[in-house]
Amino acid sequence: ILNVEQSPQSLHVQEGDSTNFTCSFPSSNFYALHWYRWETAKSPEALFVMTLNGDEKKKGRISATLNTKEGYSYLYIKGSQPEDSATYLCALPNAGGTSYGKLTFGQGTILTVHP
Amino acid sequence: AAGVIQSPRHLIKEKRETATLKCYPIPRHDTVYWYQQGPGQDPQFLISFYEKMQSDKGSIPDRFSAQQFSDYHSELNMSSLELGDSALYFCASSFDRLTDTQYFGPGTRLTVL
Repeated sequence: ILNVEQSPQSLHVQEGDSTNFTCSFPSSNFYALHWYRWETAKSPEALFVMTLNGDEKKKGRISATLNTKEGYSYLYIKGSQPEDSATYLCALPNAGGTSYGKLTFGQGTILTVHP
Repeated sequence: AAGVIQSPRHLIKEKRETATLKCYPIPRHDTVYWYQQGPGQDPQFLISFYEKMQSDKGSIPDRFSAQQFSDYHSELNMSSLELGDSALYFCASSFDRLTDTQYFGPGTRLTVL
């Protein structure tokens, strides 16, 4: 069973603040890590897929880093805006045997940005 | 760009009835995944198909079955519905099962009364 942990569970920031949160995962048998943004009543929106140790990805004010040796990824949001309020999920695909590809999600970080 | 299509978007059923949810993946995507999200919970993996064959099975009740058809669309069949089956059911598709992003459909909200 793949254990994916995210912290913190929830985060409240003021508009304009920068913030970051963590996804931890087993470093063995790593293939890829996905970050999703999930707004209430919508389907998860893919942000990044990261595969290589040291990967850094950026999309607008959101960026992510990956350390596969120590088993963590950080998601950063610079200058948070109220529209960034959402649940941010990281997920890792299983690999091997018959469990190929299914995503195991972390419990998510609920971000609330106050105007 | 084409996205994952799910139908219906909303479904209301009585206990012990049957429901069929449909998923149309992004063109050329060969893998389909089904997830169930209960109130206040993370998405939980149910089942996946690769090239029309079941590739993995998660916490899917025996009352549920699914298949992927020759045109790659998938159907999730749910029988003897229970109140606890009320949830949001997401379908996702991808091309590369490990490294490619899974693109999620809008979900079907099933309410069992």
